Amino acid sequence: KNQVEQSPQSLIILEGKNCTLQCNYTVSPFSNLRWYKQDTGRGPVSLTIMTFSENTKSNGRYTATLDADTKQSSLHITASQLSDSASYICVVGNAGNNRKLIWGLGTSLAVNP
Amino acid sequence: EAGVAQSPRYKIIEKRQSVAFWCNPISGHATLYWYQQILGQGPKLLIQFQNNGVVDDSQLPKDRFSAERLKGVDSTLKIQPAKLEDSAVYLCANGKGTGSGEQYFGPGTRLTVT
Repeated sequence: KNQVEQSPQSLIILEGKNCTLQCNYTVSPFSNLRWYKQDTGRGPVSLTIMTFSENTKSNGRYTATLDADTKQSSLHITASQLSDSASYICVVGNAGNNRKLIWGLGTSLAVNP
Repeated sequence: EAGVAQSPRYKIIEKRQSVAFWCNPISGHATLYWYQQILGQGPKLLIQFQNNGVVDDSQLPKDRFSAERLKGVDSTLKIQPAKLEDSAVYLCANGKGTGSGEQYFGPGTRLTVT
């Protein structure tokens, strides 16, 4: 069954600290993996998209990694800011099956001053 | 480049009433999606259009939900009649190519059914 699991479910950190969010998936055949940031009351915004051949991609203070062998991805946030408080959702594209996207439930991150 | 616009932003209705949501996508982007996002969950795809044709509506509750994409541009999503469990945020997303490409989301419409 195609699934995307994220951990932790929620996380609280202090401003300026780093954190890492995890994503494990069982989607096959694999097309790509995306990380989205969703602020409260807003639509998701894409942070990174990685294909099978990419194992790391950065977007400012956000760095995503992908291990296609173990089917794991992580999103590392460096020097967190209050504006990083949001839900971070891992999404995996299925190369077959009408190219569907399988969404994780997200990690809710709170950055406190 | 203008983003995806949705209206209304908020809607409160009673169960068994009807409601419609509107999406104005990014110009020139062929693919349009409607998602339902229940509080605390990730978005669930309801329907995907490629231009004005339906690509995937396998998770659309067709007994009460309907959607159309006018001339391959704007789209409406309708619920008739609404149930309590339809309370959610309805997101419209837009993409240039097929489902594997980048998707740009609108701000969503928050529906509360009482």
